[in-house]
Amino acid sequence: GAGVSQSPRYKVAKRGQDVALRCDPISGHVSLFWYQQALGQGPEFLTYFQNEAQLDKSGLPSDRFFAERPEGSVSTLKIQRTQQEDSAVYLCASSLLAGAYEQYFGPGTRLTVT
Amino acid sequence: AQTVTQSQPEMSVQEAETVTLSCTYDTSESDYYLFWYKQPPSRQMILVIRQEAYKQQNATENRFSVNFQKAAKSFSLKISDSQLGDAAMYFCAYRSPRSNTGNQFYFGTGTSLTVIP
Repeated sequence: GAGVSQSPRYKVAKRGQDVALRCDPISGHVSLFWYQQALGQGPEFLTYFQNEAQLDKSGLPSDRFFAERPEGSVSTLKIQRTQQEDSAVYLCASSLLAGAYEQYFGPGTRLTVT
Repeated sequence: AQTVTQSQPEMSVQEAETVTLSCTYDTSESDYYLFWYKQPPSRQMILVIRQEAYKQQNATENRFSVNFQKAAKSFSLKISDSQLGDAAMYFCAYRSPRSNTGNQFYFGTGTSLTVIP
């Protein structure tokens, strides 16, 4: 079946603009994660959904970051009033079960804020 | 919070040779999961191998094997008979079994592996 997909793959935003990044997890996967990967770094956790419930948002760097998964499938990560330090690759991952140990990653969205 | 350290930013290996990538981690938990992920230039992370901390036997997947030293909190990846397609960034990752953390992964900073023809 299809893997995790993300769109757009690349996004250039001017500082102060709002952006929305989309993640389509593998069908039927309960858990969904967002990670931020700065250049030359490993991914860092942002937020976690179990179905439509956002159970952990401790990694969101500021209140400009907002994520939702209203129907328990597709998720959107929104960044308001983008800043240059928001430039990074945003990775989405999903797993079949809440306790499953394997996460399947999407290709990421590279966000560049100018 | 758990930390994962990869002390080798870059490594290179001749094709068909063997290379070992290092990873250490810090945790107070007794049970956890460890992973190696591969991230080619296309950026899609691919699982290479996983290890459950309660298992003493080192995991093996074809040409990939790990050396898991629980007391030393070390989890190295050995790639045998290296191939050009192995060139990628490799990330070591830790996952707690506790559900209140959302089962998030903690990643190291990665090791960039170059395979020399």
